[in-house]
Amino acid sequence: EVQLVESGGGLVQPGGCLRLSCAASGFTFNTYTMNWVRQAPGKGLEWISSISHNDYFIYYSDLVKGRFTVSRDNAKNSLYLQMNSLRAEDTAIYYCVREDDESFDFWGQGTLVTVSS
Amino acid sequence: QSVLTQPPSTSGTPGQRVIISCSGSRSNIGSKNVFWYQQVPGTAPKLLIYKNDQRPSGVPDRFSGSKSGTSASLAISGLRSEDEADYYCAAWDVRLHSRLFGGGTKLTVL
Repeated sequence: EVQLVESGGGLVQPGGCLRLSCAASGFTFNTYTMNWVRQAPGKGLEWISSISHNDYFIYYSDLVKGRFTVSRDNAKNSLYLQMNSLRAEDTAIYYCVREDDESFDFWGQGTLVTVSS
Repeated sequence: QSVLTQPPSTSGTPGQRVIISCSGSRSNIGSKNVFWYQQVPGTAPKLLIYKNDQRPSGVPDRFSGSKSGTSASLAISGLRSEDEADYYCAAWDVRLHSRLFGGGTKLTVL
């Protein structure tokens, strides 16, 4: 069974940083592109970043480029999102998402990040 | 404001057919595949339609997708109470190098 479990969310002050993790299981992690998608409270889905199976291709939304860094450790079946210079508008549930042939086919349950003083 | 435009809300009665539209441009829907996701409040989104009109296993055939030019549609026939959810279209944008989501459409089953 495919499982994606996010962790690392919490309350952080504006300008602060946070590192999210996603533990993957139930599939061959090192063969899939992975993504981060977020959803602000009461708002729609917003794609943040993707990283190819071998790190060769990495993309970011303009909203987070230069502040967020995506990475993965295939040996640990884990995906990460380092978030720096956090702003109030970064407050959201952050989902770890597997991509299979362009489809976002499995989603984690998400971890809540709250940026507030 | 999303680059992919969806109506904020729609509604229907049980058994009815509803259609949700998604309007984009040549750099996204016009040149790339469209995907649809269903999100029941309080849960993670779920893949509903992939590559414009394909259904993943387990998705009822009451759900169907189509694409024409720079627009796409999701049709739900035989509406059921459990279909009440938010629906999002998505596509890659070749100009922005970004995955785009529509703003979402809230479906209410009356």
